Parts: sequence; C-alpha cells; structure tokens
Amino acid sequence: DVKVTQSSRYLVKRTGEKVFLECVQDMDHENMFWYRQDPGLGLRLIYFSYDVKMKEKGDIPEGYSVSREKKERFSLILESASTNQTSMYLCASSFAGGSQTQYFGPGTRLLVL
Amino acid sequence: EDQVTQSPEALRLQEGESSSLNCSYTVSGLRGLFWYRQDPGKGPEFLFTLYSAGEEKEKERLKATLTKKESFLHITAPKPEDSATYLCAVQNYGGATNKLIFGTGTLLAVQP
Repeated sequence: DVKVTQSSRYLVKRTGEKVFLECVQDMDHENMFWYRQDPGLGLRLIYFSYDVKMKEKGDIPEGYSVSREKKERFSLILESASTNQTSMYLCASSFAGGSQTQYFGPGTRLLVL
Repeated sequence: EDQVTQSPEALRLQEGESSSLNCSYTVSGLRGLFWYRQDPGKGPEFLFTLYSAGEEKEKERLKATLTKKESFLHITAPKPEDSATYLCAVQNYGGATNKLIFGTGTLLAVQP
C-alpha cells in the first residue's frame, strides 16, 4: 500500500512565524505535490517537484517555498505566516510515468492567529 | 481554460437509494480522469482512474463511467458508510506535467 505521511495533523501558529510542513512517501515516487484545500475553492496546487532539488510553481505559490533534498521527502515552508494561510494542507505523490495517480497524505490543518 | 464542474454540490440519500454523481470537464486533451473519496478532516482516498470514453470501473457499490465530456459515479444501494465528499479531477496532456485540476466535490450523506 502507498503511504504518504505528514508531520502534523494540526498546527497553530502566530502571524509572522516561519512554518515548516513535512511530507514523506514510501513508494519511491518521482513526483510530489503540495495543495491547499479551502471550502468552496477545492484543492489548489501550491508547488510540485518532479525530482530531487527540482520544483515548479503551481497555481498559488505566493507566500510559500518548498524544499526537496531527498526523493522521499518534500517540505512546504511558509516564510512568514499570515491569517489568509489558514487552511488544510495536503501532500501527494505519484510516479512520473504510467497512471500518474496521485496518492494523498492525511492532511495538516493549519490555523494562523 | 481547463475546468471541472461537479454536481450536485450536496446529495442526501436514504440507505439503499441508488443515484449518480456527475463530473463535467473541459480539457484540450484528456490524459486521465480521477475519482477520490474524502472523509471529513482527512486526505482524499483514491478510487478510480479512467482514461478513455466508454471505459468503466467498479469497486463494491461504486461504478465510474466516462464519456468525452463527463464522468458519472454511480452508487448502488448505498450504505451510511458511503457518506463522504467525492472529488473528481482531470489531467490534461497539454498542461503542466502531472498537474491535476480538481472539482469542488459532491458531499454525499446516506441516512439509515
């Protein structure tokens, strides 16, 4: 079974704090993704990575950065958290070829006060 | 512009009452259409991938079908444990590699 894990289920942070969200997958997937999910807006892609140290911006990259130093690990960084970054953050991974089905982690619900 | 629209937004069924969820899509070239189930406060769980018009896939009480413009998720004799949000997503040959475009989901409630 594919397993994608995220470092925290719930986080509460203060405005201006630097926030790290970590994702680990155990399926040797090339691709990894970070989404945010908000009511009425669905899932929106923040960043994705197709290889170690490689990244591409998604639809809403502003205010975020990412790091992929190892194939199994993909980190999302909020440089200076703001209240409008309160959201559910979802990590996913997939193979680069074949079906490219994305498998999701359990999510991190982030509250920025 | 690539787009995915799901309907209805919410659906309430009695246990055993079969129905269908709709996913309409507009893409320049469909690589794949994906269905996910999402329980409250959890990440989406993969259900099906469909690649070409006419394709069908089944899993327990769920059956997904695909045409050139839409996909249906048919739920036969649903049980309360089928209650969840069902998400549809498409992948476009012409877009950014591996990117999925999601609909906003259908919230299904099955009452005993």
